Order: sequence, then structure tokens, then C-alpha cells
Amino acid sequence: NAGVMQNPRHLVRRRGQEARLRCSPMKGHSHVYWYRQLPEEGLKFMVYLQKENIIDESGMPKERFSAEFPKEGPSILRIQQVVRGDSAAYFCASSPGRRSYEQYFGPGTRLTVT
Amino acid sequence: GENVEQHPSTLSVQEGDSAVIKCTYSDSASNYFPWYKQELEKRPQLIIDIRSNVGEKKDQRIAVTLNKTAKHFSLHITETQPEDSAVYFCAALNRDDKIIFGKGTRLHILP
Repeated sequence: NAGVMQNPRHLVRRRGQEARLRCSPMKGHSHVYWYRQLPEEGLKFMVYLQKENIIDESGMPKERFSAEFPKEGPSILRIQQVVRGDSAAYFCASSPGRRSYEQYFGPGTRLTVT
Repeated sequence: GENVEQHPSTLSVQEGDSAVIKCTYSDSASNYFPWYKQELEKRPQLIIDIRSNVGEKKDQRIAVTLNKTAKHFSLHITETQPEDSAVYFCAALNRDDKIIFGKGTRLHILP
């Protein structure tokens, strides 16, 4: 029973570089959510996607951040021209249906911007 | 905007005693309330959830209560054990189908 997979688990980028974070949902799940967690803080919603569709991106900064969930392959969260403030843990979660269903989290990607 | 308040931010209890974490929410349309446990450097794990058509739900040593009128819900852990030490997050599904998380409670189980 493979759970939600994320890679890489740790990512170090210099300021100005691009970061690509990948998330493969649980088998049978077609809904993916991305969250950001700063140290000692809660989880902040960023974006909600279904296959080939962005349903809600209200939590994602309008510049430098983008997300996709193609028909084939994992969901990708892309951060362009990273800055120190982007350093955080990024978690994705998946569910089989709308957000009223349980969400199961991946192990997270810890992004460090130097 | 909608938010979820969680208290306390830190809680220390003696092993074997009970722990209670309380949350309030602002969106009266919220109808789903999950609780997550996150151990250090690990993923959040769903431990229990409750929907607005029930007032209480129990799963072994964990129980959650919901008071829709007062817009608050609580997590109760009885007979605490060392492995209960973690950060616990409450959350509420708001009218926009967005899950809003509280800021977390760091629970320490003292030997």
C-alpha cells in the first residue's frame, strides 16, 4: 500500500535558482493539495489540483510559484528564482475526492535556500 | 478570513494522565474536523476526524468532541504514553472546501 510519495526529501538551492518538488498521490487518489510549513508553524494551504486542472490556487503567491498535475506523472510544485524566505517544508496530500474526504500527507520536501 | 485557533501551544502531562487540546473555528458552515499528529521531521498523520452530524467520536485512547453551537472542538488523549509526544494539529473544512489548520500543540509526555 504505497502512500503519498514526495521527492526529493531535501533540496538545497541558491538564491535565484529554481526548485522543483514532486508529489505522487496514493493509488486511486486524483486530488492533490500542496501545503507549506514554516518551523514551529502550522500548515498553510497553497494549491488544490485535480488531474490537468487547478481547482484552487488562492494560497499560492502569484509570482514565482506554479503547480501542475498532468494526466501522466506526478504533481509538480515549481518555485522560480527562489529567495531565503522560500525555505520551508513543503507537503503534499492526496484524497480520493473533494476536500471533505480524508487527506493523506507525503513525507515532505525540505527546501533550504542559501 | 476564516481561521482556526488552537490552545495550548505547548502541553506537558505526566505519563498515564490525560491530555486535552482545544480548538475554535470561525466559519459556521464548517462540517468536517480532522486532527493530525506530526512527529519530529515526519509527515502529518490523520489520527481521528469528526463530521458535524455527530458530537463525539472515540477510537481507543483518543476521542474528539464537537460543539457546533459554540464552534469549538477538542481532542482528548487518555492514559498518555511516551509515543504520544508530538505536535498535534486541529483543522476545519470551511465553506470554500479549504482545510484550515490550527497552529499546533506541542505535547510532551513526562516520564
